[in-house]
Amino acid sequence: GQQVMQIPQYQHVQEGEDFTTYCNSSTTLSNIQWYKQRPGGHPVFLIQLVKSGEVKKQKRLTFQFGEAKKNSSLHITATQTTDVGTYFCAGPRGGSQGNLIFGKGTKLSVKP
Amino acid sequence: GAGVSQSPRYKVAKRGQDVALRCDPISGHVSLFWYQQALGQGPEFLTYFQNEAQLDKSGLPSDRFFAERPEGSVSTLKIQRTQQEDSAVYLCASSLRDRGPYGYTFGSGTRLTVV
Repeated sequence: GQQVMQIPQYQHVQEGEDFTTYCNSSTTLSNIQWYKQRPGGHPVFLIQLVKSGEVKKQKRLTFQFGEAKKNSSLHITATQTTDVGTYFCAGPRGGSQGNLIFGKGTKLSVKP
Repeated sequence: GAGVSQSPRYKVAKRGQDVALRCDPISGHVSLFWYQQALGQGPEFLTYFQNEAQLDKSGLPSDRFFAERPEGSVSTLKIQRTQQEDSAVYLCASSLRDRGPYGYTFGSGTRLTVV
């Protein structure tokens, strides 16, 4: 069946270092969404990418959608302790926009 | 309200007991979604509604799980004869639409523990 995979599963960085998480889908996606979940919290929507090759920035966060619309990445420049949490990517399952398939997430810890 | 409200926040059920989990979405949000999240995993789709219509229930694990949204606003997820494997956080989310650049707004979830 359709799968969304994320690597790495865990990432430990020193504050100020950069961080990247990668998301790969087994099928072409019409769009991809990214969420952040703080420890003990719930997922919070960050962004949606729709176009092939799209790049979007939110302050220190840069999101990319691959040319083939099967992979995506999230890059954080100069991490801060407030970046701690698990980052999930999610894409529509089949043709159903209401049914998102989430990756297992990348858990980021930041050492001050 | 300002966000998606879920109740109860925590629920402990004895195996075999029925439970009902409530979700109050953001006013005006057409789409409502239920997801199940096990510890250390990503959310897993259960079902979704557009207004009162249940458009996809393919993620419901068994016929013990039932969801409704009779007036297109508040939704209830019911689990009958709970089993230990039902223990998880149940997340409700709403969205203005199910298409377009509208991400989901999740509630804080209901943590269900079946003992």
